[in-house]
Amino acid sequence: EAGVTQFPSHSVIEKGQTVTLRCDPISGHDNLYWYRRVMGKEIKFLLHFVKESKQDESGMPNNRFLAERTGGTYSTLKVQPAELEDSGVYFCASSQDWGATGANVLTFGAGSRLTVL
Amino acid sequence: GEDVEQSLFLSVREGDSSVINCTYTDSSSTYLYWYKQEPGAGLQLLTYIFSNMDMKQDQRLTVLLNKKDKHLSLRIADTQTGDSAIYFCAERKDSNYQLIWGAGTKLIIKP
Repeated sequence: EAGVTQFPSHSVIEKGQTVTLRCDPISGHDNLYWYRRVMGKEIKFLLHFVKESKQDESGMPNNRFLAERTGGTYSTLKVQPAELEDSGVYFCASSQDWGATGANVLTFGAGSRLTVL
Repeated sequence: GEDVEQSLFLSVREGDSSVINCTYTDSSSTYLYWYKQEPGAGLQLLTYIFSNMDMKQDQRLTVLLNKKDKHLSLRIADTQTGDSAIYFCAERKDSNYQLIWGAGTKLIIKP
């Protein structure tokens, strides 16, 4: 079974430019999550899709960030325009289950490292 | 606040036991997790514990949970060089089932 795939693995852009990160979840996983880890700090939740719908986007930092999951398969996270503080590693994860029952184990991708200069 | 606290580094000798500690915030969290991140890889689930348990053992790994103190620990017996990684503690909020993470503990193995 293929795991969660993220692309690109590393992106270096200048402040003000646009970057789009892509995540392909495990096939059949309705739940897709985006997280971010800024240099050495805790991993922060950004948002959660159930199929193509945004279940929870309370962690999105501001309107420069746009996440989509058209068709309920892969997802993209666009940052436009990028700022210095957006640098970090963006992780995508997927899960089969979500909610009160069960442990809702997440499977993570390797992350996309974003460097904004 | 929403901080899950972990020490940033732990250094142990190969063959010794490693104990990584974590304090979490929400006494009503029903699941607590340990994830491992090796260099260049994603986060991999190591183990999780349900809040009505105080211990869970899986081969070299032992998780201890103290709900009263909101303290979680991960013990790795007979630490090997392959255990070098960053270990993240996370709690699941019961309000929205999302995970709150610590900053990770980097485990360094000395020969």
